[in-house]
Amino acid sequence: DAKTTQPNSMESNEEEPVHLPCNHSTISGTDYIHWYRQLPSQGPEYVIHGLTSNVNNRMASLAIAEDRKSSTLILHRATLRDAAVYYCILRDRVEGGATNKLIFGTGTLLAVQP
Amino acid sequence: DSGVTQTPKHLITATGQRVTLRCSPRSGDLSVYWYQQSLDQGLQFLIQYYNGEERAKGNILERFSAQQFPDLHSELNLSSLELGDSALYFCASSVRAGTEAFFGQGTRLTVV
Repeated sequence: DAKTTQPNSMESNEEEPVHLPCNHSTISGTDYIHWYRQLPSQGPEYVIHGLTSNVNNRMASLAIAEDRKSSTLILHRATLRDAAVYYCILRDRVEGGATNKLIFGTGTLLAVQP
Repeated sequence: DSGVTQTPKHLITATGQRVTLRCSPRSGDLSVYWYQQSLDQGLQFLIQYYNGEERAKGNILERFSAQQFPDLHSELNLSSLELGDSALYFCASSVRAGTEAFFGQGTRLTVV
Protein backbone atom coordinates (compact mmCIF):
# COMPACT_ATOMS: atom_id res chain seq x y z
CA ASP A 1 0.00 0.00 0.00
CA ALA A 2 1.26 3.45 -0.86
CA LYS A 3 2.50 5.26 2.21
CA THR A 4 1.89 8.77 3.51
CA THR A 5 3.99 10.73 5.98
CA GLN A 6 2.54 13.36 8.29
CA PRO A 7 3.87 15.26 11.30
CA ASN A 8 2.78 13.70 14.58
CA SER A 9 1.31 16.89 15.96
CA MET A 10 0.68 20.55 15.19
CA GLU A 11 -0.67 23.50 17.09
CA SER A 12 -2.74 26.39 15.91
CA ASN A 13 -4.48 29.39 17.37
CA GLU A 14 -8.20 29.83 17.05
CA GLU A 15 -9.34 31.75 13.95
CA GLU A 16 -5.97 31.41 12.26
CA PRO A 17 -5.32 29.32 9.14
CA VAL A 18 -3.81 25.87 9.53
CA HIS A 19 -1.73 24.09 6.91
CA LEU A 20 -1.43 20.34 7.47
CA PRO A 21 1.21 18.74 5.24
CA CYS A 22 1.36 15.23 3.84
CA ASN A 23 4.05 13.54 1.80
CA HIS A 24 3.18 10.68 -0.52
CA SER A 25 6.14 10.20 -2.80
CA THR A 26 5.07 6.70 -3.94
CA ILE A 27 1.63 7.78 -5.12
CA SER A 28 0.40 6.04 -8.27
CA GLY A 29 -1.59 7.50 -11.11
CA THR A 30 -4.81 5.87 -9.93
CA ASP A 31 -4.60 7.11 -6.35
CA TYR A 32 -6.88 9.79 -4.98
CA ILE A 33 -5.62 11.80 -2.00
CA HIS A 34 -8.16 11.65 0.79
CA TRP A 35 -8.24 13.47 4.10
CA TYR A 36 -10.24 12.33 7.08
CA ARG A 37 -10.35 13.54 10.63
CA GLN A 38 -11.33 11.92 13.85
CA LEU A 39 -12.70 14.02 16.66
CA PRO A 40 -12.46 12.64 20.18
CA SER A 41 -14.82 9.73 20.82
CA GLN A 42 -16.18 9.76 17.27
CA GLY A 43 -15.74 7.81 14.09
CA PRO A 44 -13.55 9.19 11.33
CA GLU A 45 -15.13 11.90 9.23
CA TYR A 46 -14.46 12.62 5.58
CA VAL A 47 -12.94 16.04 4.97
CA ILE A 48 -11.93 16.32 1.33
CA HIS A 49 -10.31 14.45 -1.53
CA GLY A 50 -8.66 15.23 -4.82
CA LEU A 51 -6.73 13.75 -7.70
CA THR A 52 -4.65 16.41 -9.42
CA SER A 53 -6.25 19.82 -9.06
CA ASN A 54 -6.73 21.84 -5.90
CA VAL A 55 -10.11 21.31 -4.30
CA ASN A 56 -12.30 23.40 -2.04
CA ASN A 57 -15.35 22.50 0.00
CA ARG A 58 -17.17 23.94 2.97
CA MET A 59 -14.78 22.32 5.42
CA ALA A 60 -11.36 22.87 3.91
CA SER A 61 -9.15 23.26 0.88
CA LEU A 62 -6.75 20.72 -0.53
CA ALA A 63 -3.64 21.90 -2.31
CA ILE A 64 -1.92 19.20 -4.38
CA ALA A 65 1.63 19.59 -5.62
CA GLU A 66 2.14 19.48 -9.36
CA ASP A 67 4.06 16.18 -9.13
CA ARG A 68 1.40 14.85 -6.70
CA LYS A 69 4.06 13.74 -4.26
CA SER A 70 2.76 15.96 -1.52
CA SER A 71 -0.41 17.74 -0.51
CA THR A 72 -1.59 20.23 2.11
CA LEU A 73 -4.90 20.38 3.87
CA ILE A 74 -5.85 23.96 4.64
CA LEU A 75 -8.29 24.93 7.33
CA HIS A 76 -8.93 28.59 6.65
CA ARG A 77 -9.98 29.61 10.16
CA ALA A 78 -9.39 27.03 12.85
CA THR A 79 -11.98 26.67 15.56
CA LEU A 80 -11.82 24.74 18.79
CA ARG A 81 -14.06 22.13 17.14
CA ASP A 82 -11.34 21.45 14.59
CA ALA A 83 -9.12 19.85 17.23
CA ALA A 84 -8.79 16.28 15.99
CA VAL A 85 -6.46 13.75 14.43
CA TYR A 86 -6.15 14.40 10.70
CA TYR A 87 -5.34 11.51 8.40
CA CYS A 88 -3.96 11.76 4.89
CA ILE A 89 -4.73 8.59 2.91
CA LEU A 90 -4.14 7.39 -0.63
CA ARG A 91 -7.08 5.58 -2.11
CA ASP A 92 -7.26 3.73 -5.39
CA ARG A 93 -10.05 4.85 -7.70
CA VAL A 94 -10.22 1.42 -9.29
CA GLU A 95 -12.97 -0.66 -7.71
CA GLY A 96 -11.30 -3.49 -5.88
CA GLY A 97 -7.94 -1.93 -6.60
CA ALA A 98 -4.92 -2.56 -4.44
CA THR A 99 -5.35 0.55 -2.34
CA ASN A 100 -9.09 1.00 -2.60
CA LYS A 101 -9.35 0.29 1.10
CA LEU A 102 -8.60 3.17 3.46
CA ILE A 103 -5.38 2.53 5.35
CA PHE A 104 -5.00 4.94 8.23
CA GLY A 105 -1.57 5.94 9.46
CA THR A 106 -0.96 7.69 12.74
CA GLY A 107 -2.13 11.05 11.42
CA THR A 108 -1.48 14.54 12.75
CA LEU A 109 -2.95 15.52 16.09
CA LEU A 110 -4.07 19.12 15.73
CA ALA A 111 -4.40 21.17 18.89
CA VAL A 112 -6.24 24.48 18.65
CA GLN A 113 -5.55 27.09 21.30
CA PRO A 114 -8.15 29.71 22.20
CA ASP B 1 -25.27 11.74 11.20
CA SER B 2 -23.24 9.89 8.57
CA GLY B 3 -26.10 7.60 7.56
CA VAL B 4 -24.16 4.50 8.59
CA THR B 5 -25.79 2.67 11.48
CA GLN B 6 -23.94 0.33 13.77
CA THR B 7 -25.52 -1.81 16.45
CA PRO B 8 -25.09 -2.31 19.29
CA LYS B 9 -23.32 0.83 20.49
CA HIS B 10 -21.84 -0.94 23.49
CA LEU B 11 -21.22 -4.60 24.19
CA ILE B 12 -19.75 -6.23 27.25
CA THR B 13 -19.01 -9.92 27.12
CA ALA B 14 -16.79 -12.52 28.69
CA THR B 15 -13.68 -14.15 27.32
CA GLY B 16 -14.34 -17.12 25.10
CA GLN B 17 -17.70 -15.82 23.94
CA ARG B 18 -18.88 -14.95 20.44
CA VAL B 19 -20.51 -11.69 19.37
CA THR B 20 -21.96 -10.25 16.18
CA LEU B 21 -21.66 -6.61 15.24
CA ARG B 22 -24.04 -5.22 12.68
CA CYS B 23 -23.65 -2.44 10.15
CA SER B 24 -26.23 -0.84 7.88
CA PRO B 25 -24.51 1.21 5.17
CA ARG B 26 -25.82 4.43 3.71
CA SER B 27 -28.57 3.92 1.20
CA GLY B 28 -27.04 3.11 -2.18
CA ASP B 29 -23.52 2.42 -0.90
CA LEU B 30 -22.17 -0.88 -2.18
CA SER B 31 -18.85 -1.00 -0.33
CA VAL B 32 -18.59 -1.79 3.36
CA TYR B 33 -15.40 -1.64 5.40
CA TRP B 34 -14.67 -2.80 8.93
CA TYR B 35 -12.04 -1.28 11.19
CA GLN B 36 -10.76 -1.97 14.67
CA GLN B 37 -9.44 0.83 16.85
CA SER B 38 -7.63 0.11 20.06
CA LEU B 39 -5.53 2.49 22.12
CA ASP B 40 -2.22 0.94 21.17
CA GLN B 41 -2.93 0.04 17.53
CA GLY B 42 -4.80 2.95 16.06
CA LEU B 43 -7.29 2.36 13.25
CA GLN B 44 -6.66 -1.04 11.71
CA PHE B 45 -8.36 -2.10 8.50
CA LEU B 46 -9.99 -5.50 8.86
CA ILE B 47 -11.96 -6.32 5.73
CA GLN B 48 -13.84 -4.83 2.78
CA TYR B 49 -16.91 -6.04 0.93
CA TYR B 50 -18.32 -4.77 -2.32
CA ASN B 51 -21.84 -5.75 -3.33
CA GLY B 52 -21.71 -8.95 -1.32
CA GLU B 53 -18.22 -10.04 -2.30
CA GLU B 54 -15.09 -9.85 -0.22
CA ARG B 55 -12.66 -7.45 -1.91
CA ALA B 56 -9.80 -6.88 0.49
CA LYS B 57 -8.50 -8.27 3.75
CA GLY B 58 -6.38 -6.55 6.30
CA ASN B 59 -5.12 -7.70 9.66
CA ILE B 60 -8.20 -9.72 10.44
CA LEU B 61 -7.74 -12.61 12.85
CA GLU B 62 -8.93 -16.09 11.93
CA ARG B 63 -11.32 -15.90 14.89
CA PHE B 64 -13.05 -13.02 13.13
CA SER B 65 -15.27 -13.29 10.07
CA ALA B 66 -17.61 -11.03 8.20
CA GLN B 67 -20.16 -11.07 5.45
CA GLN B 68 -22.27 -8.70 3.43
CA PHE B 69 -25.85 -9.71 2.77
CA PRO B 70 -28.00 -9.16 -0.35
CA ASP B 71 -29.60 -6.11 1.28
CA LEU B 72 -26.01 -4.78 1.68
CA HIS B 73 -25.94 -4.76 5.46
CA SER B 74 -22.88 -6.40 6.96
CA GLU B 75 -22.04 -8.35 10.06
CA LEU B 76 -18.72 -8.84 11.78
CA ASN B 77 -18.51 -12.00 13.86
CA LEU B 78 -15.93 -12.21 16.62
CA SER B 79 -15.43 -15.56 18.33
CA SER B 80 -13.33 -17.02 21.12
CA LEU B 81 -12.99 -13.51 22.43
CA GLU B 82 -9.88 -12.47 24.32
CA LEU B 83 -9.24 -9.48 26.54
CA GLY B 84 -7.15 -7.96 23.76
CA ASP B 85 -10.15 -7.85 21.45
CA SER B 86 -11.59 -5.02 23.51
CA ALA B 87 -11.73 -2.08 21.13
CA LEU B 88 -13.91 0.20 19.09
CA TYR B 89 -15.14 -1.42 15.89
CA PHE B 90 -16.09 0.91 13.08
CA CYS B 91 -17.98 0.24 9.92
CA ALA B 92 -17.78 2.52 6.91
CA SER B 93 -19.50 2.58 3.55
CA SER B 94 -18.96 4.23 0.21
CA VAL B 95 -20.67 4.26 -3.14
CA ARG B 96 -17.65 3.09 -5.09
CA ALA B 97 -13.89 3.23 -5.25
CA GLY B 98 -12.26 6.60 -4.88
CA THR B 99 -15.27 8.27 -3.32
CA GLU B 100 -15.62 9.40 0.25
CA ALA B 101 -16.34 6.83 2.92
CA PHE B 102 -18.80 7.46 5.70
CA PHE B 103 -18.19 5.98 9.11
CA GLY B 104 -20.62 4.87 11.74
CA GLN B 105 -20.31 5.81 15.39
CA GLY B 106 -18.77 2.48 16.22
CA THR B 107 -19.44 -0.41 18.57
CA ARG B 108 -17.43 -0.38 21.77
CA LEU B 109 -16.63 -3.96 22.69
CA THR B 110 -15.40 -4.74 26.17
CA VAL B 111 -14.23 -8.26 26.92
CA VAL B 112 -14.00 -9.08 30.61
